[in-house]
Amino acid sequence: QVHLQESGPGLVNPSGTLSLTCAVSGGSISSNHWWTWVRQPPGKGLEWIGEVYHAGSTNYNPSLKSRVTISVDRSNNDFSLKLISVTAADTAIYYCATTGRRGQVGVIDYWGQGTLVTVSS
Amino acid sequence: QLVLTQSPSASASLGASVKLTCTLSSGHAIYSIAWHQQQPEKGPRYLMKLNSDGSHTKGDGISDRFSGSSSGAERYLIISSLQSEDEGDYYCQTWGTDVRVFGGGTKLTVL
Repeated sequence: QVHLQESGPGLVNPSGTLSLTCAVSGGSISSNHWWTWVRQPPGKGLEWIGEVYHAGSTNYNPSLKSRVTISVDRSNNDFSLKLISVTAADTAIYYCATTGRRGQVGVIDYWGQGTLVTVSS
Repeated sequence: QLVLTQSPSASASLGASVKLTCTLSSGHAIYSIAWHQQQPEKGPRYLMKLNSDGSHTKGDGISDRFSGSSSGAERYLIISSLQSEDEGDYYCQTWGTDVRVFGGGTKLTVL
C-alpha cells in the first residue's frame, strides 16, 4: 500500500517561495500514474494545483500556472511543489496525492495527510 | 468550461439515508466523476468513481452503505443507514484534458 508524506516549512514570508516535498513509500515514483498536489485554504474547499508524471510531463491549474513548478526526484522516490511570489491567499493545507493509480484516468485516488503552510511575516 | 456544482449543505437523521448531488456543467453530461469524503479535521479520502450510466467502482475498504447513481448531468452519492462518522464534507471531482476540477463541497450534518 502506497504511503505519501508531505514535508516542508510551515511558515513562508510574503513574496517568497513555498517549497514542499512528498515522500513516497510502498511504491515507486516511476509507477504509471500522475503525482498530484491539491490545496485547501482554511475553512474552504479543495483546489487542484497540478500534477507530474514520472517521465516529467506536467499539468497545472491555469490560475496558478505562472507561479507553479512540480517535479519528480527518482533518486529520492519523491516529488516536489514550488510556488513562487506567495501571498496570504496561498495559506492553506497542502496535500499530495495520486491520480490514476488504480488505472482510472483522471481519478484522484489516494491522499497524503496534508501539511499546513502559512504565508506571513 | 468544466464546472461542478454542489449544494453547500445537507442534513439527515441518524440511521436514515441521504442523497448528495453534484451537477456537471452544460455540455459535460457524459463525464464521469469521483466522490471524496473529508471528515472533520482529517484529510480527504477517495470513495468511488461514478460513471454517467450509474456504474461505480469504490475505493479500498469503502462501506457498502455508500453507493452512487446518475441521471443526465447529475451525479449522486447515496449514503444509507447514516452513522455519526459520516458527518463531514463531501467533494465531487472530475477531469478534462490536462485538468482536474473539484466541486465546492457539501457539508453533511447527521442529526
